[in-house]
Amino acid sequence: GAVVSQHPSWVICKSGTSVKIECRSLDFQATTMFWYRQFPKQSLMLMATSNEGSKATYEQGVEKDKFLINHASLTLSTLTVTSAHPEDSSFYICSARWDEQFFGPGTRLTVL
Amino acid sequence: GENVEQHPSTLSVQEGDSAVIKCTYSDSASNYFPWYKQELGKRPQLIIDIRSNVGEKKDQRIAVTLNKTAKHFSLHITETQPEDSAVYFCAASDNQGGKLIFGQGTELSVKP
Repeated sequence: GAVVSQHPSWVICKSGTSVKIECRSLDFQATTMFWYRQFPKQSLMLMATSNEGSKATYEQGVEKDKFLINHASLTLSTLTVTSAHPEDSSFYICSARWDEQFFGPGTRLTVL
Repeated sequence: GENVEQHPSTLSVQEGDSAVIKCTYSDSASNYFPWYKQELGKRPQLIIDIRSNVGEKKDQRIAVTLNKTAKHFSLHITETQPEDSAVYFCAASDNQGGKLIFGQGTELSVKP
C-alpha cells in the first residue's frame, strides 16, 4: 500500500514560537493532501485541503494565518503552526490522496 | 456542510459477542463511507468501506451496511476478540479520495 510519512513524530516548543510539520507521500504523487487535528479523546477534525501548486482551502473556523500550509511539490506538504500557544497542543495528522486517502503517522505537538 | 453523528461513544462487550456501531450523515451528496480503527497514538487504519451504490459489504468478521434513504450506515463486528479493542470512527465523503468528515468515535472494549 501507499506510504505517507510525517516529520517530526513529536515536538515540544515554547509558547510564541512557530513549528513546521512535514507530510510526505513516499511512493506516489499526491496532488491533494489533507491536514487533520485531533485533541485527546476526540475525533479527527479536518483543518484544510492542500493542493499542489495552489492555495490551501481551509475549513470554517480554522485560522489560515495561524496554520500556514504549503504544498510545493507532489510529494510534500507542510503545516506551520505560527505563534503557537498551549491550546494548539494536539495530534496533527496528514493524509495524501491517491485512489483513497492514506494517513501519516501523526505529529504530537506540545506547546509549553 | 456534511455532519456525521456516531453512536455509541463507548461500547463494552464480552469476547465472542457482536458489536454494532451506528452513524448518520446529513449530506445526500456523500457517496463514500469508510470505517477506521485507531489505536492510542497511532494513525487511523481503514478497516472497511462502502460506496453508495452498495447496501452491504462484508470482510470476514466485519460488515458494513448502508441505508441511503435514511442516511445511516453501521459497522458490525462479529466474534469480537480483545485485539478488536480500539476507537472506531466512521466517516463520509463525496468521493473516495476526497475530504473526510468523521464521526465522534466509539471506544470499543472487548473483555476476555
